Amino acid sequence: GAVVSQHPSWVICKSGTSVKIECRSLDFQATTMFWYRQFPKQSLMLMATSNEGSKATYEQGVEKDKFLINHASLTLSTLTVTSAHPEDSSFYICSATIIAGQASPELGGYTFGSGTRLTVV
Amino acid sequence: GQNIDQPTEMTATEGAIVQINCTYQTSGFNGLFWYQQHAGEAPTFLSYNVLDGLEEKGRFSSFLSRSKGYSYLLLKELQMKDSASYLCAVTDSNYQLIWGAGTKLIIKP
Repeated sequence: GAVVSQHPSWVICKSGTSVKIECRSLDFQATTMFWYRQFPKQSLMLMATSNEGSKATYEQGVEKDKFLINHASLTLSTLTVTSAHPEDSSFYICSATIIAGQASPELGGYTFGSGTRLTVV
Repeated sequence: GQNIDQPTEMTATEGAIVQINCTYQTSGFNGLFWYQQHAGEAPTFLSYNVLDGLEEKGRFSSFLSRSKGYSYLLLKELQMKDSASYLCAVTDSNYQLIWGAGTKLIIKP
């Protein structure tokens, strides 16, 4: 089945520093990558949608200058949390689809990375 | 607005059957997903329904009624490892994925 590899699994950083999270689709080409944030005991919150080779579309309330998304190839997308603060501490998850904007049920729907637990101290 | 409702928490006994309901109101419909998520982990795919009816996959089954905007996930022969959150998600007419808040399922011996 389709696999998305997400790194790092967890990271602790100092306030004011930047953190980069990578998601790679290992055996398929991810036309669209979704980035989510999940706070404890809450559901997934979509932050942005990125299509390969174009600028990401950010959800309302998500600062695009703070959460930099790069989807330079069909197999790699990165999220950089710039000047991180304690309130940015959360679980960040990427998800990919093979067809632009659509789920691929035969691949297990939206294929998720394993998530990154970010703690900003 | 777009809305997905599911119970916040449910409790069931090991070996029993539990049904988790999901109702949705979205602008268009292009399919409904159920995902399982253990604490601190990413969601894993359970099922996908786009047509009315019941889809059975081992101990798990998912039902959809598009006219009622309703789905349920049925878990049989519950095991302790089934303790997790179960997320209902719908793709709307723009293929935007709308997530429910999830149902935390607690299994007791």
